[in-house]
Amino acid sequence: KNEVEQSPQNLTAQEGEFITINCSYSVGISALHWLQQHPGGGIVSLFMLSSGKKKHGRLIATINIQEKHSSLHITASHPRDSAVYICAVIRVSGGGADGLTFGKGTHLIIQP
Amino acid sequence: DAGVIQSPRHEVTEMGQEVTLRCKPISGHDYLFWYRQTMMRGLELLIYFNNNVPIDDSGMPEDRFSAKMPNASFSTLKIQPSEPRDSAVYFCASSLGLSGLSSYNEQFFGPGTRLTVL
Repeated sequence: KNEVEQSPQNLTAQEGEFITINCSYSVGISALHWLQQHPGGGIVSLFMLSSGKKKHGRLIATINIQEKHSSLHITASHPRDSAVYICAVIRVSGGGADGLTFGKGTHLIIQP
Repeated sequence: DAGVIQSPRHEVTEMGQEVTLRCKPISGHDYLFWYRQTMMRGLELLIYFNNNVPIDDSGMPEDRFSAKMPNASFSTLKIQPSEPRDSAVYFCASSLGLSGLSSYNEQFFGPGTRLTVL
């Protein structure tokens, strides 16, 4: 079982729909990233959070540490939101933190 | 700042050849990470450095892979000899910090190097 699980793997929606992408993890973490990878391949960090909720424009990320679960929401989705969204955690182990451990990503397509 | 710079952007080589990927982190960032992305395995951490010192190289797949960071502004990932299964996109990322609660630790990714080993 992967340490970081995302769902759904693929999501196709119509423009304007409210989008939710979920991430569950099974390890202790110090922080969680939501990353966006566009078709061109570049990776952009959307959020880094360790508690509560963060909002940036139409994007909202929440995390529940007790339940080891995070969600990424997109309001009023637009075709330019089409990308792969990747959940990544900074694990805490042994004497310190490790690098990022990634989920497999959610491939989102927003149709006009 | 120009962000994390990687070179080359694309590399095509033949099996058995040595490949060197380069990364320039954002100035002032103390952490540098090398990641590999494949269709089968997604993104994986290969190795990361703190203040030029390798901290965790447990993700380096084999002895054919080596990484160095001779100074704060430059790192290399070398594959010798290369094999077709090394074909992937290799990302370098840097951050001010690593663990903790603040955006201080956000990782910034380079554009990646797409490696094809024939």
